[in-house]
Formats: sequence, structure tokens, C-alpha cells
Amino acid sequence: DIQMAQSPSSLSASVGDKITITCRASQGIGNGLEWHQHKPGKAPKRLIHGATDLQSGVPSRFSASGSGTEFSLTISSLQPEDFATYYCLQHSSYPWTFGQGTKVEVK
Amino acid sequence: EVQLVESGGGLVQPGGSLRLSCKASGFSFINYSMNWVRQAPGKGLEWVSYIASSWSIRHYADSVKGRFTVSRDNDKNSLFLEMNSLRPEDTAVYYCARVRFGAAYGMDVWGQGTTVTVSS
Repeated sequence: DIQMAQSPSSLSASVGDKITITCRASQGIGNGLEWHQHKPGKAPKRLIHGATDLQSGVPSRFSASGSGTEFSLTISSLQPEDFATYYCLQHSSYPWTFGQGTKVEVK
Repeated sequence: EVQLVESGGGLVQPGGSLRLSCKASGFSFINYSMNWVRQAPGKGLEWVSYIASSWSIRHYADSVKGRFTVSRDNDKNSLFLEMNSLRPEDTAVYYCARVRFGAAYGMDVWGQGTTVTVSS
């Protein structure tokens, strides 16, 4: 199975900050990675597909990069609605696997 | 509007069974594969199961293999998860999610989830 190591597990930031979350795959997955945002009590929401492509309707302050084994998600200017938990997900092969999650909290 | 609505969660004793449902609307259900994903209390997301649009392919996480069965009724736009021999560690919110193929391949739409509690 492919393991996804996501870091950090949590971070504290302020509105307007730039933050970056990383995921490392235990083996190469090409661009078979996406990023999801999850708020308590809500349905998760896909932000990025194909490792770097912004999901339709997602604000442009979200961006992502990477391929192979190293990936990152960046929020250029954190907004109040962005405080949530973020997960990477690899779908290169089954079983699909998530990173452990990064909880973004208010500083 | 594309929508997925889960139901069927509840409290069940260890060793018991439960059947979850996911009703799809706003899109052509028969053309999409589907996943089940869960989140245990205080834990992250865990992929559980996959079913292809035509039932031809099904996958399961090792943690549920042999105990859970995924199925679908394309005439009723519904996805199911039959859960047997339930354990306390199966306690979680269970989400269904659509799998999109093509350029935007992946899990593009999620339901709100249904809660399963396994406890005596």
C-alpha cells in the first residue's frame, strides 16, 4: 500500500498569512494526488485534482504543486473561511490513501 | 444540483450488522463509480470501499475486507454498504463520494455523512 506522510499535523496562522502543507508518498504516484478541505459537520470539499489543477469554483488563493513523491498545497492569503483540516489523497492505486491531515487553526 | 445523501447510521452492538445507503441526485449515477470513506472520532479520513459503475470492480480496505460489502442499484440512483461483524473501531462518520473519470479524475463530490456507533 502507498503511505502518505503529511506535515505539519497542525499549524496556527492569522488571516492574511501564507501557509504551505506538504505530502510525501512512499512511492511514486505521478500526478495521482488531490487535496480536500474538511470542516466539522460538513461534507469534505475537493480543492485540487491532478496534483496541481484547481477544482472549479475554488478561489485562486489555493494552489498546489508536485509530482512523483513530493507534493504541496499553498494558501496565499488565509481567509476566515479557510480554517479547517486539509487532507491529501492519493488515487494512483488501491487502496486509496489519505494523509493524516493538517488542522489549520487561528493564531 | 449534484447531491449525495447518506442514511442508515445508528447505534449497533459489537458483532451486529447495519446497512448504509447513499442516494444520488443531479447527475447520471449509472455513469459514475463510487467510494465510501469514513472518519472515526478524533481521527483522519480513511478510504473504505470502491464500486465501479457497472459493479464489475469492487475494492475494499484491509480493515473491512470480508465484513463489508458494497453494492448499488443504478435504477434507484443508490449506493449501499452492508456492514457485518461490526467492531467498536468501525465507529465513524461514513461518507459516500463520487468518483469522476477523465481530466478531473478523483473524488469530486461528497455527501454529508451518516454516523455509525458500535457499542454495547
